[in-house]
Amino acid sequence: DFVMTQSPLSLSVTLGQPASISCRSSQSLVYSDGNTYLNWFQQRPGQSPRPLIYKVSKRDSGVPDRFSGSGSATDFTLKISRVEAEDVGVYYCMEGTHWPPSITFGQGTRLEI
Amino acid sequence: HLQLQESGPGLVKPSETLSLTCTVSGGSMTTSSYYWGWIRQPPGGGLEWIGNINYIASTYYNSSLRNRVTMSIDTSMNQFSLKLSSVSAADTAVYYCARLQLWSRLFDDWGQGTLVTVSS
Repeated sequence: DFVMTQSPLSLSVTLGQPASISCRSSQSLVYSDGNTYLNWFQQRPGQSPRPLIYKVSKRDSGVPDRFSGSGSATDFTLKISRVEAEDVGVYYCMEGTHWPPSITFGQGTRLEI
Repeated sequence: HLQLQESGPGLVKPSETLSLTCTVSGGSMTTSSYYWGWIRQPPGGGLEWIGNINYIASTYYNSSLRNRVTMSIDTSMNQFSLKLSSVSAADTAVYYCARLQLWSRLFDDWGQGTLVTVSS
């Protein structure tokens, strides 16, 4: 079975310090068209998920530049250069390479200050 | 700006069918650039993809739910729907509808979510 594994599952960071979240897939996420469909979402407490990053490293509209994505094939990273109070929440990676027919989310990483 | 809004019963009895509708406003559903999806999140848990449907009713479902899931779409009403049969307590979750952007495979717009509790 295909698996997306995030680490750590929980992260405590001091305001203004950097944070890094890893997402690993059990298979390469490079699609036949050359794209890698690895996305990141932020879910603040009590809110719907918000898209942050698509295709590994492209920030969605309105996302602050302190958020960055990197990686390739099976190993990916979401970095926050300087954590702010509004960054508290759970972060999910999601792969769309195997869609159709399926989409898989990572289990989530909880970020606290 | 696109808006999605889930609606449906907040309480469903075990073994019955969960039915939810997502109403889309501020944009067209009749475009080949998007699919429309359902994602759920159990209390305190992570996100689970349920399935996607496009404007011509082509569907893809999570294999773990395929035997119980049916999605439909009514573009004239700007709505798409989810039915999940034979529910149990394990199906208690917040259910989100969202738009899947095909060129990025990103769920780029989400509804606010609706909590469905399975209990007698």
